Amino acid sequence: DVKVTQSSRYLVKRTGEKVFLECVQDMDHENMFWYRQDPGLGLRLIYFSYDVKMKEKGDIPEGYSVSREKKERFSLILESASTNQTSMYLCASSRPSGANVLTFGAGSRLTVL
Amino acid sequence: DQQVKQNSPSLSVQEGRISILNCDYTNSMFDYFLWYKKYPAEGPTFLISISSIKDKNEDGRFTVFLNKSAKHLSLHIVPSQPGDSAVYFCAAPAGYGGSQGNLIFGKGTKLSVKP
Repeated sequence: DVKVTQSSRYLVKRTGEKVFLECVQDMDHENMFWYRQDPGLGLRLIYFSYDVKMKEKGDIPEGYSVSREKKERFSLILESASTNQTSMYLCASSRPSGANVLTFGAGSRLTVL
Repeated sequence: DQQVKQNSPSLSVQEGRISILNCDYTNSMFDYFLWYKKYPAEGPTFLISISSIKDKNEDGRFTVFLNKSAKHLSLHIVPSQPGDSAVYFCAAPAGYGGSQGNLIFGKGTKLSVKP
């Protein structure tokens, strides 16, 4: 069964800490994405990558950075966590052509105190 | 500016009846649309899609209708089951420079199907 795996389901961090969220996919997909989901706001794109070492800003990149050193792995980094980054973080992957159905991971619930 | 809009935050339906979830869009260049379903504490899962060259696509209990002139699509679930209780997101491709595949999502509609 193909899937997207997010290493941490629940994290609690303190303001100012550096936070790493890891995502791995086993479908050999070129595209990978990081979204955050907040009540009443839907899914908002933070960053995406369409190739190794390539990255593009999404709609809300401020306060985040990403790393894609290998095709299967896409990491989201919060350099200095803040309380307004408390959210559900969703990683997804897809192929670059056709009707791009994104496959999502189970999500990482981050709480910043 | 919200390009994909789901104006109903929630919907409650009796088991066995029809559920109709609505979605409006503003960009006439969108060439296909997708619906995702999300349970609490899980990632969204793809449900059904429709190309802009069609006005209907059906998959079992799920049917999506597209009205291009009104820039409106709807997801019909017949008959509704308690297991359908979830948040449903409408989405369309953002088309950042071509084929990167990013999707723009609506804010979601929470469907509750009561036994």
